Amino acid sequence: AQSVTQLDSHVSVSEGTPVLLRCNYSSSYSPSLFWYVQHPNKGLQLLLKYTSAATLVKGINGFEAEFKKSETSFHLTKPSAHMSDAAEYFCVLYSGAGSYQLTFGKGTKLSVIP
Amino acid sequence: NAGVTQTPKFQVLKTGQSMTLQCAQDMNHEYMSWYRQDPGMGLRLIHYSVGAGITDQGEVPNGYNVSRSTTEDFPLRLLSAAPSQTSVYFCASTSVGQGHGYTFGSGTRLTVV
Repeated sequence: AQSVTQLDSHVSVSEGTPVLLRCNYSSSYSPSLFWYVQHPNKGLQLLLKYTSAATLVKGINGFEAEFKKSETSFHLTKPSAHMSDAAEYFCVLYSGAGSYQLTFGKGTKLSVIP
Repeated sequence: NAGVTQTPKFQVLKTGQSMTLQCAQDMNHEYMSWYRQDPGMGLRLIHYSVGAGITDQGEVPNGYNVSRSTTEDFPLRLLSAAPSQTSVYFCASTSVGQGHGYTFGSGTRLTVV
C-alpha cells in the first residue's frame, strides 16, 4: 500500500529563519516524490521532484529536498524563509506500477512571521 | 499559454441538480485526472484517464461520472449534487515524458446548498 504522512499540519517560522517541512512515505515500488505548493485560493504549483536520480533535489524559489530511502523520508527545506513562502505544502507520492496515480499527504500550512 | 484550463471557477448548486465541470489541456498529455480537495484531507482522486476512450475510478468516485472523447478534454459530471460534494475540484494532467510531474488547473470551487 502507498501512503504519505506529513508530520506537521502547521509550521510557523520567522522571516529569514530556516524552513523544514517533514514528509514520510510508504511504497511497495521505487517511488517518485514531489512537493507542491498551494497559495491561498490558487492551484497547485510543482516545487520539485525526485525520480530516482540525485537524492538531493533542488527546486524553485530556493527550496530543496533530500530523498532518504533508509528513513523513507523526503523532507523539504529552505535556508531562509520569505514572507511569500506562506502557503500550504503537499508531499506527493507516485508509486509507479503504471497506474499514474498520485497519493497526497494532508498538507502542511506554513506561516511566516515578519 | 500551455496548461490546464478549468471552468467554471465558482459554482453554487442546489441539492439534486446536475452539472459538468470542464477541464481542457493543450499539452498533448495522455493522462488526466480529477481530484477533490477538502480541509485537512489533502487531495483525493475521483476519476482518471490514461488516454482517449479510457477512464477508471479513483479513491472517491461515487456521485461522479467522466468521459474522455478527445485527448484534450476530460469533463467531470455531477449526476445529482449533494452537500457532501461541496469541495474544491482540481483537474491535472501529465505524460510519461514529464517524469510524472503533474500540471494542475486553477480549480473549481463548488458549493452545494
